[in-house]
Amino acid sequence: DTGVSQNPRHKITKRGQNVTFRCDPISEHNRLYWYRQTLGQGPEFLTYFQNEAQLEKSRLLSDRFSAERPKGSFSTLEIQRTEQGDSAMYLCASSSGTSGVNEQFFGPGTRLTVL
Amino acid sequence: AQSVTQPDIHITVSEGASLELRCNYSYGATPYLFWYVQSPGQGLQLLLKYFSGDTLVQGIKGFEAEFKRSQSSFNLRKPSVHWSDAAEYFCAVGPGGGGADGLTFGKGTHLIIQP
Repeated sequence: DTGVSQNPRHKITKRGQNVTFRCDPISEHNRLYWYRQTLGQGPEFLTYFQNEAQLEKSRLLSDRFSAERPKGSFSTLEIQRTEQGDSAMYLCASSSGTSGVNEQFFGPGTRLTVL
Repeated sequence: AQSVTQPDIHITVSEGASLELRCNYSYGATPYLFWYVQSPGQGLQLLLKYFSGDTLVQGIKGFEAEFKRSQSSFNLRKPSVHWSDAAEYFCAVGPGGGGADGLTFGKGTHLIIQP
């Protein structure tokens, strides 16, 4: 049983650079979520996909952020022109979306440090 | 808008003692409630969830939680903690019935176990 995987696990970049993270959900899950977690805080919802369609975006997702899930399988989250405030753990989760259940399974996260 | 409050930022408990972590929520509809645990360098692991039915739910690792609608609470309990329970604990609220909104998390409670 392979869970949600995320790559890379750590990313250090300089301010102004672009970064891209990848998430591979549990294979039979059609829903995929991105969250951001800063130090001392709980995860905050960023965006959500059902299959390849991006159905919801939080106001936290500024124009510098873009997420895709081109074939309804893996997803990428890109941050353009990174800022120091983008430093955080980026978490991906997936769920099967069966009726009455919204149990999300989380990956280990990608820790971004912007210098 | 929904919100989750975890009043205790840190809790210290002696090994073998009982534990209760508090969670209060605000949600417009019938809430679906979750407790997750996060260990250093690990992703979030689901401990238990409440959707409907019996208000006392059992989870993994000997944890249980009780849903009290009148108090808008979903407190997590364990009768006897082990050193391996030291971690960050997050309460979350979200929609069910196939709803796909992201989860709203509290800020977490850091559990410290004294020998």
